[in-house]
Amino acid sequence: NAGVTQTPKFQVLKTGQSMTLQCAQDMNHEYMSWYRQDPGMGLRLIHYSVGAGITDQGEVPNGYNVSRSTTEDFPLRLLSAAPSQTSVYFCASSSTSGRFETQYFGPGTRLLVL
Amino acid sequence: DQQVKQNSPSLSVQEGRISILNCDYTNSMFDYFLWYKKYPAEGPTFLISISSIKDKNEDGRFTVFLNKSAKHLSLHIVPSQPGDSAVYFCAASEYGGATNKLIFGTGTLLAVQP
Repeated sequence: NAGVTQTPKFQVLKTGQSMTLQCAQDMNHEYMSWYRQDPGMGLRLIHYSVGAGITDQGEVPNGYNVSRSTTEDFPLRLLSAAPSQTSVYFCASSSTSGRFETQYFGPGTRLLVL
Repeated sequence: DQQVKQNSPSLSVQEGRISILNCDYTNSMFDYFLWYKKYPAEGPTFLISISSIKDKNEDGRFTVFLNKSAKHLSLHIVPSQPGDSAVYFCAASEYGGATNKLIFGTGTLLAVQP
């Protein structure tokens, strides 16, 4: 198992550009989430999904779109990048087998918006 | 408003001694708490968790204590080892919420000196 994979590892964007951060997992997990990590702010939940076709907003959803057409993939879209979206982005997945199931995180995507 | 707070940005401890990391929360609907450990350039990894029906959970060198009346939890690492040097995040899940909807604290950087 590769676990949770994220691409790209690093990306530089100009203000106003769009891009998609890819996330995939091969553990057949139903639950997937996107977080951003900023200095002094910890990890903040952007969007999450409890299964294919089902997504919901987290703490900081503005400026980001998600969709979940398959169990394996959960892409995060930035439609018009802003410098405030400079951050490290983590994708996570977990199964539904238990109430207290833990999440497995990917290695992260470092995004710089100029 | 930060629902999960880690007021100590950093902590330095001698190898072999006890490390105590603290976390406070404000949302009384939180019923499950987790600690994650994060090394640089990697995603967070699950360390230990505790349900609100317990006040202590142990796993080897790691013990988490929960004081519901004070809305406070702490992570004890005994004995501390240099490999424990990392950022530690406290996280919480709300009762009835999706188990992948976690609210994280801002993190504490632990440095264990040899």
